[in-house]
Amino acid sequence: EPEVTQTPSHQVTQMGQEVILRCVPISNHLYFYWYRQILGQKVEFLVSFYNNEISEKSEIFDDQFSVERPDGSNFTLKIRSTKLEDSAMYFCASRLAGVNTGELFFGEGSRLTVL
Amino acid sequence: QQQVKQSPQSLIVQKGGISIINCAYENTAFDYFPWYQQFPGKGPALLIAIRPDVSEKKEGRFTISFNKSAKQFSLHIMDSQPGDSATYFCAAIKRTSGSRLTFGEGTQLTVNP
Repeated sequence: EPEVTQTPSHQVTQMGQEVILRCVPISNHLYFYWYRQILGQKVEFLVSFYNNEISEKSEIFDDQFSVERPDGSNFTLKIRSTKLEDSAMYFCASRLAGVNTGELFFGEGSRLTVL
Repeated sequence: QQQVKQSPQSLIVQKGGISIINCAYENTAFDYFPWYQQFPGKGPALLIAIRPDVSEKKEGRFTISFNKSAKQFSLHIMDSQPGDSATYFCAAIKRTSGSRLTFGEGTQLTVNP
């Protein structure tokens, strides 16, 4: 069964460092998302991406964040200068084209720990 | 107005019992309401979803009840099993615009054997 894969599964970094989280969405999906989940809290939307551009972003997704689809398969989230409060599980998700039914396929997440 | 409120935060049920999780929303523009199930160490996975023009949807042991006038919806898990132990998130979306799923706070369900 096709799945969304994410790397790394866990990354520990020092405050102020740049991190890149990588995702390989399901191959025929056209919409890509990043969500995050701070430990024990709800899943929060960060950004959606379609046709090589951001289609929507949340208040959390400030200038420290960026996304890119550098090739035909990868979708990356970059945090330019990490802060302690960026520590969270980051989930990549993707979906098919067409009307959004809310059915997203999530990866297993990348846990980011900022020290 | 974008929030989805979910309760309870945690729920313990005996095997064979009924688990009930409730959600409420304010934004009447939401037009689709999925429920996601998340096991430890995994990403959320779609469980069941409902449109607001339907009052109830059943899939196996899982049923969504929807009350449009009250802007509330709930998930019922009949004959709960230990394998149902997970975190459940209700969510809402406006399908025709925006892409974001708005999640509730989550309910950690434990089904005791």
